[in-house]
Amino acid sequence: AQRVTQPEKLLSVFKGAPVELKCNYSYSGSPELFWYVQYSRQRLQLLLRHISRESIKGFTADLNKGETSFHLTKPFAQEEDSAMYYCALTPGWGKLQFGAGTQVVVTP
Amino acid sequence: DTGVSQNPRHKITKRGQNVTFRCDPISEHNRLYWYRQTLGQGPEFLTYFQNEAQLEKSRLLSDRFSAERPKGSFSTLEIQRTEQGDSAMYLCASSPLRGQGNEKLFFGSGTQLSVL
Repeated sequence: AQRVTQPEKLLSVFKGAPVELKCNYSYSGSPELFWYVQYSRQRLQLLLRHISRESIKGFTADLNKGETSFHLTKPFAQEEDSAMYYCALTPGWGKLQFGAGTQVVVTP
Repeated sequence: DTGVSQNPRHKITKRGQNVTFRCDPISEHNRLYWYRQTLGQGPEFLTYFQNEAQLEKSRLLSDRFSAERPKGSFSTLEIQRTEQGDSAMYLCASSPLRGQGNEKLFFGSGTQLSVL
């Protein structure tokens, strides 16, 4: 069965400090992996996807198939990064399996 | 606003009543999804449509739940004989039909259901 695990419910970091959100998954095939973000009073929206190998708002995510992980990192956190972050996987047609989410709070 | 629109934003109902939610996707999007989210959890997949065809339903979707997308545009999600356990945020999302996988989902603001 496919599963996405985000072990941290809450991550509190200081502005300018590095931030890493952990995501581990279990899936028998080769899933597509995503990070979605929800800022306060806004809709859930895509932050980045692993196939694009892109950096969005300074965030990057590395897919490690050996460790079945897709951790999200940013070297210098900003206050506007405070949000709820969800890791998600799909078998390939848009049906997303989400993790429980990590609330990030960036304090000045 | 050309994003995904959901109505109503909030719904309070008594146990046993029926409720219906509406979702208007982005106009050129062929795929439409319903998710449910409870406090402290990520969204859980309920069902999805490609145009007017309902292609998959989660086991979470009991017989009391029915979703339709009659003309391949807007969709409705009905819950009959609501139970307190149905209280949740119901999210709709849409995406364009562009091969398999990797398409970005666009989410609506959701309908918050409270069953008293």
